[in-house]
Amino acid sequence: GAVVSQHPSRVICKSGTSVKIECRSLDFQATTMFWYRQFPKKSLMLMATSNEGSKATYEQGVEKDKFLINHASLTLSTLTVTSAHPEDSSFYICSASFGWRAFFGQGTRLTVV
Amino acid sequence: AQTVTQSQPEMSVQEAETVTLSCTYDTSESNYYLFWYKQPPSRQMILVIRQEAYKQQNATENRFSVNFQKAAKSFSLKISDSQLGDTAMYFCAFTPVNTDKLIFGTGTRLQVFP
Repeated sequence: GAVVSQHPSRVICKSGTSVKIECRSLDFQATTMFWYRQFPKKSLMLMATSNEGSKATYEQGVEKDKFLINHASLTLSTLTVTSAHPEDSSFYICSASFGWRAFFGQGTRLTVV
Repeated sequence: AQTVTQSQPEMSVQEAETVTLSCTYDTSESNYYLFWYKQPPSRQMILVIRQEAYKQQNATENRFSVNFQKAAKSFSLKISDSQLGDTAMYFCAFTPVNTDKLIFGTGTRLQVFP
């Protein structure tokens, strides 16, 4: 079946630094990928839609300059959290669709100290 | 606005028993898909079941079945013969047909007791 791989699974960074999270579709091409954020014991909130070869579409309230998304190829989307702050600490999940079905990465736990 | 509501933050059930998780949604779309996802402690999202809105027949996948009431915009999940491995967060989700964007409910934490 289709597989989406997300890396890293955990990352700890210092306040003010930037962190890059990768999302790869391993055995299919994805023109669109999605990035979600999940707070502890909460739901997944869609942050943005990553479009291959064009700008990402951000949901209302998501700072596009803080959460940079690059979809450079049909199998890779990256989310860069710039100038990270403790309030950016969260669980980030990507997904890519193959047909009607969404496949999710394993998620990345970001801790900003 | 499209919203998905799960009114049960937590549920518990004894092993081998049946439990029903509730979900309601709001949309002006006429055609869409509804899903139930499971998120175990590993945090990996796993598809449980899918329902196409234009199909009246309720979807079934082994021990999992749904009660889809389109007019009421209700989409509940029934888990029969509950197993310890069913312990997880369960999310109801919605997507219009013309997009892959998923809108998730707030989740129900299900605990299966031996």
